[in-house]
Amino acid sequence: EPEVTQTPSHQVTQMGQEVILRCVPISNHLYFYWYRQILGQKVEFLVSFYNNEISEKSEIFDDQFSVERPDGSNFTLKIRSTKLEDSAMYFCASRATTTGMNQPQHFGDGTRLSIL
Amino acid sequence: LAKTTQPISMDSYEGQEVNITCSHNNIATNDYITWYQQFPSQGPRFIIQGYKTKVTNEVASLFIPADRKSSTLSLPRVSLSDTAVYYCLVGDPRGNTGNQFYFGTGTSLTVIP
Repeated sequence: EPEVTQTPSHQVTQMGQEVILRCVPISNHLYFYWYRQILGQKVEFLVSFYNNEISEKSEIFDDQFSVERPDGSNFTLKIRSTKLEDSAMYFCASRATTTGMNQPQHFGDGTRLSIL
Repeated sequence: LAKTTQPISMDSYEGQEVNITCSHNNIATNDYITWYQQFPSQGPRFIIQGYKTKVTNEVASLFIPADRKSSTLSLPRVSLSDTAVYYCLVGDPRGNTGNQFYFGTGTSLTVIP
């Protein structure tokens, strides 16, 4: 069964540094998402992306964050000038689009980001 | 703002049916309800999705009342491997209508031998 893959599985970064989290969505999917999960808390929506642009973002997704689909397979989340509170699991998800049906989002296993 | 709430935890014996309810009082007209299972250090795994009434697949059933302000995930005959955290997710799966997605607070299910 095709799956969403995320790299790296664990990223350790010094506070103030930039970090890029990478995701390879399922190949025929057209909708892409990023979520985060702070340790012990629920999963929180960050951003949705479709047709090479952001379609919706939450209040968490401020100017520090950006997303990009640099080629036909990767979907990235960039965090500029990381803060201690950015430490969390970051999940990527993708969704197919099928006329007449609503397909669910499929999630990767996440990148654990640790800011020191 | 579709705030979603769930019981924090539940215990069940093996072989029993488990029902987990999610409240989503402010669900929007176009929102669907999706349930996920999450094991430690893994991403959420899709279980079932619905819009209204009842949906059933090979692993679960989903009950959604007419007002759609809540939903109930039903797991028949749970086993030890069903011990996990279960989340409801509310949002418009078409994604390009400007709606956000809201995960529930999560229910930690422990299945007891």
